[in-house]
Amino acid sequence: DTGVSQDPRHKITKRGQNVTFRCDPISEHNRLYWYRQTLGQGPEFLTYFQNEAQLEKSRLLSDRFSAERPKGSFSTLEIQRTEQGDSAMYLCASSLVSGSSYNSPLHFGNGTRLTVT
Amino acid sequence: AQSVSQHNHHVILSEAASLELGCNYSYGGTVNLFWYVQYPGQHLQLLLKYFSGDPLVKGIKGFEAEFIKSKFSFNLRKPSVQWSDTAEYFCAVNARARGTYKYIFGTGTRLKVLA
Repeated sequence: DTGVSQDPRHKITKRGQNVTFRCDPISEHNRLYWYRQTLGQGPEFLTYFQNEAQLEKSRLLSDRFSAERPKGSFSTLEIQRTEQGDSAMYLCASSLVSGSSYNSPLHFGNGTRLTVT
Repeated sequence: AQSVSQHNHHVILSEAASLELGCNYSYGGTVNLFWYVQYPGQHLQLLLKYFSGDPLVKGIKGFEAEFIKSKFSFNLRKPSVQWSDTAEYFCAVNARARGTYKYIFGTGTRLKVLA
């Protein structure tokens, strides 16, 4: 189990720039989640994939945010025209589910800390 | 909509004190419940989980939690905390609602254990 890896660990960008983050889940995991966490808050759901299909996207997610998982393995999260309010820790998590099971625990990466100046 | 409430935002205890962190959720259907821990500088890790069966579940490092369905609660307990338990603790619920499988997290409780 090599764990969930995220790249980069830290990203500082200027307002208006685009940023892209990458997540590599545990290799056999078919579900991949993106969360956002700000200081003093718990992880806030953004979106999740089952294999390459994006099954749900939070209503809180603006059109500036897009996520992909093209081959059902790694995923990218892109934020266009960043705003200061986008500053947060972006967390990726993965899980393995099968059949009608929907209760597998999430395995988290270390996150990407985004600072928008 | 599903939600998770953690009532204690900050808790300070001395070593050997007993710990109980509250967690309540709102969802009327079948739920799966989790406690995650985040040690300083580390990623979120699973502490324990409840899917079904015995409502008292035991996790790692001496932690346990009790699911009380009538109270929509899943409180975390440890009889005697250690300095190394200093961390942030998150309660989470996973409930199948309209075909969704997302996990909802509480706001977390920051625990500080004094040596």
